[in-house]
Amino acid sequence: GAVVSQHPSWVICKSGTSVKIECRSLDFQATTMFWYRQFPKQSLMLMATSNEGSKATYEQGVEKDKFLINHASLTLSTLTVTSAHPEDSSFYICSARLGEQFFGPGTRLTVL
Amino acid sequence: DQQVKQNSPSLSVQEGRISILNCDYTNSMFDYFLWYKKYPAEGPTFLISISSIKDKNEDGRFTVFLNKSAKHLSLHIVPSQPGDSAVYFCAASASSGNEKLTFGTGTRLTIIP
Repeated sequence: GAVVSQHPSWVICKSGTSVKIECRSLDFQATTMFWYRQFPKQSLMLMATSNEGSKATYEQGVEKDKFLINHASLTLSTLTVTSAHPEDSSFYICSARLGEQFFGPGTRLTVL
Repeated sequence: DQQVKQNSPSLSVQEGRISILNCDYTNSMFDYFLWYKKYPAEGPTFLISISSIKDKNEDGRFTVFLNKSAKHLSLHIVPSQPGDSAVYFCAASASSGNEKLTFGTGTRLTIIP
């Protein structure tokens, strides 16, 4: 139990385009999901907390207009990176809370 | 401001011996601590956690120790196995785990056969 999936697992896009990443809790409902970002050889940094049916809470320094989060159902949260730039290239990981946080496998984003 | 620190970026241990991974934190509001194991290009996998009301929690080969006065926790793995080779992150949370997680920088553990 407590499986979290992410789609896609990797994506390459051109600078200036938008990319949507999905996070799904497969066997449980999660009112709260989290989005993290990990740059090479660095820690996981929380970007935002996604709450079902309400606006996401963004961490300091994370642009809410650039990283759009939608948590429309109890099993799905989406992160859209708008107008992506090469510096947005990173490993994006979501988690869903069921007591503990269970993490998805991550999405590798490369912006050319 | 790195509130959770893992000062050893890497650690090599002989198979069968004990692996000890350390973590320090600065925020006294943290009252719940977790250890995660992570392979490259994968999400972290939960290993073990401890509440601040305890000083030790054990689960099979994994034991976590918490020293609140020193703001220090450690993960002991014994005996170490080759499959334990991975990056280990400690994480901390306030409000008994209901708040966001703050992760350490990770320690790469290599088990030598």
